Amino acid sequence: AQKITQTQPGMFVQEKEAVTLDCTYDTSDPSYGLFWYKQPSSGEMIFLIYQGSYDQQNATEGRYSLNFQKARKSANLVISASQLGDSAMYFCAMNSGYSTLTFGKGTMLLVSP
Amino acid sequence: DTAVSQTPKYLVTQMGNDKSIKCEQNLGHDTMYWYKQDSKKFLKIMFSYNNKELIINETVPNRFSPKSPDKAHLNLHINSLELGDSAVYFCASSQDGGRIYEQYFGPGTRLTVT
Repeated sequence: AQKITQTQPGMFVQEKEAVTLDCTYDTSDPSYGLFWYKQPSSGEMIFLIYQGSYDQQNATEGRYSLNFQKARKSANLVISASQLGDSAMYFCAMNSGYSTLTFGKGTMLLVSP
Repeated sequence: DTAVSQTPKYLVTQMGNDKSIKCEQNLGHDTMYWYKQDSKKFLKIMFSYNNKELIINETVPNRFSPKSPDKAHLNLHINSLELGDSAVYFCASSQDGGRIYEQYFGPGTRLTVT
């Protein structure tokens, strides 16, 4: 069984600062993928970034980077230079093969001016 | 061009009614999904279809019946609606479900049962 744990219900950050959203996972599959999604107040689910379990380098997408530490089973999302528009709920998720996405409970990020 | 679309966006109905939610994707993906997001924002898979065939059916009441007329469409029909069915339902799609690809979500359908 797969499990995703997000221990931060809420996070606050000031505009232009960097913020790290924590995510730990548990799986017995050797091959898996880790994902981060953003859900703004409008409700849609926006795919941000993906990390494969065999990827040697940490994934980056613009201001988003994934700090992947396989031995610790963590996949933290780092948002650099936060913007007001980054205020949203952020979900960490994983899957492997034909399995579907298993989501964490989410972290609400609030960016203040 | 919307990649994954759902209709309706909002659905308000009374207990006991039957309703359907439609989903279409124009990404050429092979696999489609239905997820339920509860009032605490927790997302949980309900069904997964690959090339019109059901491959995953989580513990969902049999009042919920997915139907995939073709690989671009996955509809969700709900019979005898109950108060606890109130939630946001998301459709999603991805490339071949046998490998690991990101899933793209529709805008969601907020179902309210009164």
